[in-house]
Amino acid sequence: GENVEQHPSTLSVQEGDSAVIKCTYSDSASNYFPWYKQELGKGPQLIIDIRSNVGEKKDQRIAVTLNKTAKHFSLHITETQPEDSAVYFCAASEEVDYGQNFVFGPGTRLSVLP
Amino acid sequence: GAVVSQHPSRVICKSGTSVKIECRSLDFQATTMFWYRQFPKQSLMLMATSNEGSKATYEQGVEKDKFLINHASLTLSTLTVTSAHPEDSSFYICSASGTDYSNQPQHFGDGTRLSIL
Repeated sequence: GENVEQHPSTLSVQEGDSAVIKCTYSDSASNYFPWYKQELGKGPQLIIDIRSNVGEKKDQRIAVTLNKTAKHFSLHITETQPEDSAVYFCAASEEVDYGQNFVFGPGTRLSVLP
Repeated sequence: GAVVSQHPSRVICKSGTSVKIECRSLDFQATTMFWYRQFPKQSLMLMATSNEGSKATYEQGVEKDKFLINHASLTLSTLTVTSAHPEDSSFYICSASGTDYSNQPQHFGDGTRLSIL
């Protein structure tokens, strides 16, 4: 089955700096890669996703890159703000019509220091 | 759109009690619902997948008699933790997948924190 690794487990950056979180996956059939932000006591919120037919996607300060050959994808947050502090999870899945199962990475705790 | 509501958000109860958690899709039909368990500072671990009107599929190591899942309608799935014990204390999160046309495969609820005394 799919196995997703994520690094680093913790990341501290100064406000305004960039943050990069990297994930690798094992199953070449995976073709959908979402990133979730989870705040304390809350469920995960989708912040960006990418499908295997593109290599990069950007939404304002957030971008995701995908290297299918190497089976890794990364989250890039620019101009970080204190409110970006949270736990971030990557996930991988094989997209089907409905009911696809996500395999999550272990998470990265991001702290943005003012 | 595509809102998933989970209730209750927090439960504290005595050991031996059975606890029911509800997961509702508010504005779309959820053909599939997923139940996850999350221990402190850990990732989400899938417990089971349920399709409306059929029996849930449980992940390896998850006791189906302990964690009863019912998905009787296209907008509601319930997870019942039977005879809960302190080791069942955890954060339980549901997600739903269905006909919302948002291009997102799953929509997550806000979780239920279960504390067994």
